[in-house]
Amino acid sequence: AQSVTQPDIHITVSEGASLELRCNYSYGATPYLFWYVQSPGQGLQLLLKYFSGDTLVQGIKGFEAEFKRSQSSFNLRKPSVHWSDAAEYFCALYSGAGSYQLTFGKGTKLSVIP
Amino acid sequence: SQTIHQWPATLVQPVGSPLSLECTVEGTSNPNLYWYRQAAGRGLQLLFYSVGIGQISSEVPQNLSASRPQDRQFILSSKKLLLSDSGFYLCAWSPAGKGWEKLFFGSGTQLSVL
Repeated sequence: AQSVTQPDIHITVSEGASLELRCNYSYGATPYLFWYVQSPGQGLQLLLKYFSGDTLVQGIKGFEAEFKRSQSSFNLRKPSVHWSDAAEYFCALYSGAGSYQLTFGKGTKLSVIP
Repeated sequence: SQTIHQWPATLVQPVGSPLSLECTVEGTSNPNLYWYRQAAGRGLQLLFYSVGIGQISSEVPQNLSASRPQDRQFILSSKKLLLSDSGFYLCAWSPAGKGWEKLFFGSGTQLSVL
């Protein structure tokens, strides 16, 4: 069965600093991978997704993520964090085969200090 | 453009009382519809999904049920709430056919069962 692990429950960064949120997955084949962001008390919004091709994908709000098959990772990065980026971030995996089930990680809460 | 409405935003209910959460989607036809639950520190759990009117698939056996009486209406219900039903409930939709490519989430309902 597939799984998604986000090792960091909570990360705090200073505004303007770079950011990397980690995501590791377990799946026998190449998965479809996603990053979603959730602002407090709100639903989730898709930041970016990887299906195939270029392993570095660009998303909204200046985020990017890199798929590394050898490390089973799909880490999210941003070169300079803004205070409005404070939110919870979820990595998710879709295995295919006609299922409607996305497997989500438990999330990483990002705090930004001025 | 498509929009998703979910209500109420917050709900406090006593143990043993019934539950009805409603979700409607506008601006699209025959969407896939989903109910997720988000418990603290546990990520998102898919509860139900529907690919058409009257078609409900349950992912997790529990005290809840779902119904889709109209194409763009999805209802989450319970006859008798348990303490363990507390959580943040999210409705989501996706275009028919490739439901996993992008989910659009509602703003959620915070349910507290006391």
